[in-house]
Amino acid sequence: QVQLVQSGAEVRKPGASVKVSCKASGYTFTSYAIHWVRQAPGQRLEWMGWISAGNGNTKYSQKFQDRVTFTRDTSTSTAFMDLSSLRSEDTAVYYCARDQGYQLIAWWGQGTLVTVSS
Amino acid sequence: EFVLTQSPGTLSLSPGERATLSCRASQSVSSSYLAWYQQKPGQAPRLLIYGASSRATGIPDRFSGSGSGTDFTLTISRLEPEDFAVYYCQQYDSFPTFGGGTKVEIK
Repeated sequence: QVQLVQSGAEVRKPGASVKVSCKASGYTFTSYAIHWVRQAPGQRLEWMGWISAGNGNTKYSQKFQDRVTFTRDTSTSTAFMDLSSLRSEDTAVYYCARDQGYQLIAWWGQGTLVTVSS
Repeated sequence: EFVLTQSPGTLSLSPGERATLSCRASQSVSSSYLAWYQQKPGQAPRLLIYGASSRATGIPDRFSGSGSGTDFTLTISRLEPEDFAVYYCQQYDSFPTFGGGTKVEIK
C-alpha cells in the first residue's frame, strides 16, 4: 500500500532554514507528483506546491515561491521540502502528499511539525 | 484564486443523525474537480470524495458527495462515532485550495 513517511519534528530560530523529507513506498515513485501542504495551528490547510517525481519539474504557490525549494532523490524514493528565511508564522505541520492525477491529492504523510521560535 | 467557503463552521449532531455540509466556490469549478477530506485530531487528512461525487477506495457508502459549478455538498447519511471530525473541501481545478473546514461534533 502507498506509504509516505516524513522526517521528525524540527525547531528553528527565525531567519533559519528547515528541510523536511518524505520517503515513499508501495508504488512507483517516479509515476506521481508529490505535493506539499501545511497547516498552521487552528488554520486551514494551505497548498505550497508540487514536484514531479519523474522529471523534477516544480510548481510553487506564489506565496512561497521565493522561499521554498522542492527536490527529490529517485534512488531512495524520497522528496524534500526546503523552506528558508523562517518566521514565527511558519510554525505549522507540514505534510507531503501524493498526487493521483489532475492535482488530486490522494495519499498523505503523517506530517512534520516545524516550530519557529527564538 | 479560488476561494472555498464552508458552512456551517460547526455542526452538533448525535450518532445516527444525518449530516449535511456545504462548500461554496468563488468561481465555477470545472469538471467537478472538487474533493472532500476528513481530518481527526493529530492525524493527516484522508480523502473521502473526489470528482464531487466519487467515493475514494475503502470509504463507506454512508458518505456521499453532490453538486457542481459553485455549490457542493457532503452528506453523511447516519453518523457513526468515528465520523466526528473536521471536514475540508478542496478544489483542484486550478492550483489546489482548501475550504476553512466544518467541525462535526457530538451533541
